Amino acid sequence: DSGVTQTPKHLITATGQRVTLRCSPRSGDLSVYWYQQSLDQGLQFLIHYYNGEERAKGNILERFSAQQFPDLHSELNLSSLELGDSALYFCASSFGPGQMNTEAFFGQGTRLTVV
Amino acid sequence: AQTVTQSQPEMSVQEAETVTLSCTYDTSESDYYLFWYKQPPSRQMILVIRQEAYKQQNATENRFSVNFQKAAKSFSLKISDSQLGDAAMYFCAYNAGNMLTFGGGTRLMVKP
Repeated sequence: DSGVTQTPKHLITATGQRVTLRCSPRSGDLSVYWYQQSLDQGLQFLIHYYNGEERAKGNILERFSAQQFPDLHSELNLSSLELGDSALYFCASSFGPGQMNTEAFFGQGTRLTVV
Repeated sequence: AQTVTQSQPEMSVQEAETVTLSCTYDTSESDYYLFWYKQPPSRQMILVIRQEAYKQQNATENRFSVNFQKAAKSFSLKISDSQLGDAAMYFCAYNAGNMLTFGGGTRLMVKP
């Protein structure tokens, strides 16, 4: 158990809908990262928050948004869902503001299926 | 942009044997970190080993070791005495800042 909790584990929804994925980082970790793992794109970085502030953005679509709350949990909002958004969404956390030299602990992911 | 390439989509190894997974990367940075992550069927991403680019000595973690060739931008993972539990997807990853850039992965099968 990495200590990072993601809910829900599985989500099935229809095209055009909106969903929210939730991540609770390890106790004491201030950074939260979101990654998308799809069959054709592999693992891609979406966004990084540190202590409530956005630190870095990757290939995140405009239909997607995220935030980190004062209690440090994070939510990833996906709207106007398309079939191609079906993927495994990972959250990872680490203590410091960057991931470079500190181990990032990954949650078990949320499997999103858009039908 | 940094890229990470794993040229072996699948590898297989006999139990107790040794296998090497390949990874190359492209970067103009001089200071960065490289990682190997394991993803078993449970989907959990587990850090296997980490290498700091400014360290010439290759990292080792029990049965796992790397061959880091900075000039060649190569970072291979050697698994010795392979065990059935080593069967998983293995991802090479690079970090020079705020995010990990992953390779496409190598599926490792371990034959009993």
